[in-house]
Amino acid sequence: AQSVTQPDIHITVSEGASLELRCNYSYGATPYLFWYVQSPGQGLQLLLKYFSGDTLVQGIKGFEAEFKRSQSSFNLRKPSVHWSDAAEYFCAVAPSGGSYIPTFGRGTSLIVHP
Amino acid sequence: GAGVSQTPSNKVTEKGKYVELRCDPISGHTALYWYRQSLGQGPEFLIYFQGTGAADDSGLPNDRFFAVRPEGSVSTLKIQRTERGDSAVYLCASSLGPGTSVYNEQFFGPGTRLTVL
Repeated sequence: AQSVTQPDIHITVSEGASLELRCNYSYGATPYLFWYVQSPGQGLQLLLKYFSGDTLVQGIKGFEAEFKRSQSSFNLRKPSVHWSDAAEYFCAVAPSGGSYIPTFGRGTSLIVHP
Repeated sequence: GAGVSQTPSNKVTEKGKYVELRCDPISGHTALYWYRQSLGQGPEFLIYFQGTGAADDSGLPNDRFFAVRPEGSVSTLKIQRTERGDSAVYLCASSLGPGTSVYNEQFFGPGTRLTVL
């Protein structure tokens, strides 16, 4: 069975600063990896996904993530955070193939200071 | 076009009561998923429908939980004899069915917040 660890419950950054949210996964084979964002009262929105190929993936809203097999990590980054990025961020892993049902981490709450 | 909608947005009920939560998927999406999100946690998978049938119900916690999708579109999650521990946000997602692409993105609804007193 797969699992995801997001070690940071809260992250606080200043607007304009860079951001990195950590994600470690456990899965026996090459996983499918995802980052979702959830704003208050909104549904989860897919930011980016990794299936295969280039280990640096670009997503929406200026986010990117890098798959590092040796570290079982899929960290999310953004070079300059905007106040509107304040939200809850979830990393997820799904088995390759099948119904792609993801297992989510507990989430990291991003707080942006002006 | 319209996204995934869920009704009601909030539901307060008393312990022991029966509740139904509704999900309207995006038109044309044959796959439908239910998740439960407890406070401070990520979503947990409950059940996955492909068309009218439950392709995977391994996430349902016990037999008090049941879901249907009789016409392959709208789905209802039913919880019998609710308990305080059932309090959570119940999320629904839909996607195109298998075979249309390597991966079909799940689009999530805003959720139904269930509170069991």
